[in-house]
Amino acid sequence: GENVEQHPSTLSVQEGDSAVIKCTYSDSASNYFPWYKQELGKGPQLIIDIRSNVGEKKDQRIAVTLNKTAKHFSLHITETQPEDSAVYFCAAEGGSYIPTFGRGTSLIVHP
Amino acid sequence: DTAVSQTPKYLVTQMGNDKSIKCEQNLGHDTMYWYKQDSKKFLKIMFSYNNKELIINETVPNRFSPKSPDKAHLNLHINSLELGDSAVYFCASSQRTLNYGYTFGSGTRLTVV
Repeated sequence: GENVEQHPSTLSVQEGDSAVIKCTYSDSASNYFPWYKQELGKGPQLIIDIRSNVGEKKDQRIAVTLNKTAKHFSLHITETQPEDSAVYFCAAEGGSYIPTFGRGTSLIVHP
Repeated sequence: DTAVSQTPKYLVTQMGNDKSIKCEQNLGHDTMYWYKQDSKKFLKIMFSYNNKELIINETVPNRFSPKSPDKAHLNLHINSLELGDSAVYFCASSQRTLNYGYTFGSGTRLTVV
């Protein structure tokens, strides 16, 4: 089955800095890669996703890149703000339509 | 307005009791899921229901039983609760074949004492 590794487990940055979270996957059949943000006391919320036919996608301050050959994808957050503090999960999904989640990255943005 | 709603938000109960968590979605999605999130934040799928049929059942003890009266509802019933069942349980829904991601509920924090 699919295996998704996510790093780092904790990321601490100063407000205004950039943050990068990296994930690798094992199943070359995976073709959909969503990212979720989980704030304290809430459920995970889809913030951006990318499909295997696209190398990069951007939405305001967040962007995701995908390297199919190397089987890794990354989340980039620019100009971080305190409200970006949360746990971020990457996931990889293929023909089963059931995503395999990474173990999460706790992002802390210091004012 | 809530897309995926689950109740209760908090549940404290004694070992050996039976409890249920309810979930409803108003998005018209065809698939609903239950996930368990442990203290280390790991999200583990428990069940998935597509058009009222169970399509996945990971290695979950048979004390846990999903019940789906219709495609907008997926309830989770737990018998003989154990200390290790303490966790946050999330309901989610999706339109299965469209790859548009999941919509999660806000979670039920279950504490077994």
